[in-house]
Amino acid sequence: NAGVTQTPKFQVLKTGQSMTLQCAQDMNHEYMSWYRQDPGMGLRLIHYSVGAGITDQGEVPNGYNVSRSTTEDFPLRLLSAAPSQTSVYFCASSYARQGGLNEQYFGPGTRLTVT
Amino acid sequence: GQQVMQIPQYQHVQEGEDFTTYCNSSTTLSNIQWYKQRPGGHPVFLIQLVKSGEVKKQKRLTFQFGEAKKNSSLHITATQTTDVGTYFCAGFTDKLIFGTGTRLQVFP
Repeated sequence: NAGVTQTPKFQVLKTGQSMTLQCAQDMNHEYMSWYRQDPGMGLRLIHYSVGAGITDQGEVPNGYNVSRSTTEDFPLRLLSAAPSQTSVYFCASSYARQGGLNEQYFGPGTRLTVT
Repeated sequence: GQQVMQIPQYQHVQEGEDFTTYCNSSTTLSNIQWYKQRPGGHPVFLIQLVKSGEVKKQKRLTFQFGEAKKNSSLHITATQTTDVGTYFCAGFTDKLIFGTGTRLQVFP
């Protein structure tokens, strides 16, 4: 049981390049989400999904795309990287329950630098 | 949109002193969760509160959920160096929004 895995751990991009951050979980969780963490800003929700085929925007969705074709995978795509997207990215997953969510399991994070 | 604020942003305490962080939401929450993140690590779940006025304890940690379900607090009694880290609340309505976090430093 690997939990939540994220790849890569580190990435350096040039402005304008595109890339996909991978996230996978093996716990059959319905709910998956992406957060970015910047100093002094806490964790800000980018996109989330309540099940395969369903995604929605969070607090800071601009510049990011997601899709959820399977329960296990929730990739985050940066279409044209900008220096403002330099951050640590965390993927999280949990069971959903009526009226809320169970505890979030976080991946180890991807540290992204855009030059 | 939904916003969750935490105060203070930083807290430095001497080992053995108490510590409290406060969480306030702009909207009424269905439930609230608390997480701890050690430096260089990822957030780890501590607890979830669901009911109005709920109080839960985990050893030296006491969590409260306000009567209006818009605020919450985490109190640590007699801090230890192992308590060092950033504490986040996260409020749920239709999505889970994290607070800005409180970084706790404990001096021996």
